[in-house]
Amino acid sequence: GAVVSQHPSWVICKSGTSVKIECRSLDFQATTMFWYRQFPKQSLMLMATSNEGSKATYEQGVEKDKFLINHASLTLSTLTVTSAHPEDSSFYICSATSVNYRDGYTFGSGTRLTVV
Amino acid sequence: GQQLNQSPQSMFIQEGEDVSMNCTSSSIFNTWLWYKQDPGEGPVLLIALYKAGELTSNGRLTAQFGITRKDSFLNISASIPSDVGIYFCAGQNRDDKIIFGKGTRLHILP
Repeated sequence: GAVVSQHPSWVICKSGTSVKIECRSLDFQATTMFWYRQFPKQSLMLMATSNEGSKATYEQGVEKDKFLINHASLTLSTLTVTSAHPEDSSFYICSATSVNYRDGYTFGSGTRLTVV
Repeated sequence: GQQLNQSPQSMFIQEGEDVSMNCTSSSIFNTWLWYKQDPGEGPVLLIALYKAGELTSNGRLTAQFGITRKDSFLNISASIPSDVGIYFCAGQNRDDKIIFGKGTRLHILP
């Protein structure tokens, strides 16, 4: 149980375009989803926390207008990178949790974004 | 903000050797977690620790939560090739956010 699916697994886009990344909990209802960013050979940095039906809470230094997060249902959260630039190229990972799961959080397999 | 100091940064060992890595923090965490990340994948939970002093095993992996809730170690016994990867310690705070350490890269020499 506790499977999180992330799509796409990789995407290449042109500068100035927007990219949407989906995070789905497949076999449980995720009350909270988290979005992380990971640069090569570095750790995961928390970007924002999203609760179903409410606005996301962003970590300090993360531009909320740049990284739009929508958590419209208990099984889906989306991260949209708006007007992407090469410096936005990174590995984006989501995680999801539920009140029914105590053992930490389940992570998606990540999305490799390359902006050219 | 809250930070986790993980060491060593990388390890080169022979197959069959035991491995030990640790993590410390200036902050107290409710839960301590150890993850493994393979290239191009998300992290996978190995062990979760909930109580101060708790010692938990998962196969060849053993981890302990420090008495002060500010540190933890992870041991891997009799390493095998598939143990290669990046191991992250992580702390879950009162806001339920998970903060990650910088990771330990494990390399196994042929």
